[in-house]
Amino acid sequence: KNEVEQSPQNLTAQEGEFITINCSYSVGISALHWLQQHPGGGIVSLFMLSSGKKKHGRLIATINIQEKHSSLHITASHPRDSAVYICAVTGNQFYFGTGTSLTVIP
Amino acid sequence: SQTIHQWPATLVQPVGSPLSLECTVEGTSNPNLYWYRQAAGRGLQLLFYSVGIGQISSEVPQNLSASRPQDRQFILSSKKLLLSDSGFYLCAWAGPSTDTQYFGPGTRLTVL
Repeated sequence: KNEVEQSPQNLTAQEGEFITINCSYSVGISALHWLQQHPGGGIVSLFMLSSGKKKHGRLIATINIQEKHSSLHITASHPRDSAVYICAVTGNQFYFGTGTSLTVIP
Repeated sequence: SQTIHQWPATLVQPVGSPLSLECTVEGTSNPNLYWYRQAAGRGLQLLFYSVGIGQISSEVPQNLSASRPQDRQFILSSKKLLLSDSGFYLCAWAGPSTDTQYFGPGTRLTVL
């Protein structure tokens, strides 16, 4: 069992839809990261969370430390949001989720 | 199968001391290699990437440098560490014709 689990693995949405990607982890952490990787690009850090909620533009990330769960929400999705979204946690070492491949169709 | 190794796993160094972190990849040829850092209170930051031996691109100016002496070896160095260099250092590789990056276990560096 992976230390970090993400769901869904693949997601296709129509432009404008509200999108949620979930992440659960099983280890003690000091921080949780949401990362984005566009085709042909490097990995970009979207958020780093240790508690509560953060918002940046149309992206919202939440974390529940007690439940060891985090969600990434995208409001009013757009085709340029198409990418792989990766959840990762900083514990004794860095643990990565397997990623969620998002495709937003115009 | 491909594997990526990083060492050391943890490191405590005094300010002003040199640094050498090593990353090696097995089971693939001509990978693209990356060094990332996660500093305390900050997200992941791409430091360097390399598409071949001796080819290094720097994303962020700093007192760190990278070298790729062999196809599957990527080294992160510093001549004099700063307190702000503390953090998690991650090495990653990607196939030459793919975008998916695979990360090593990381090195936790503490500069005192």
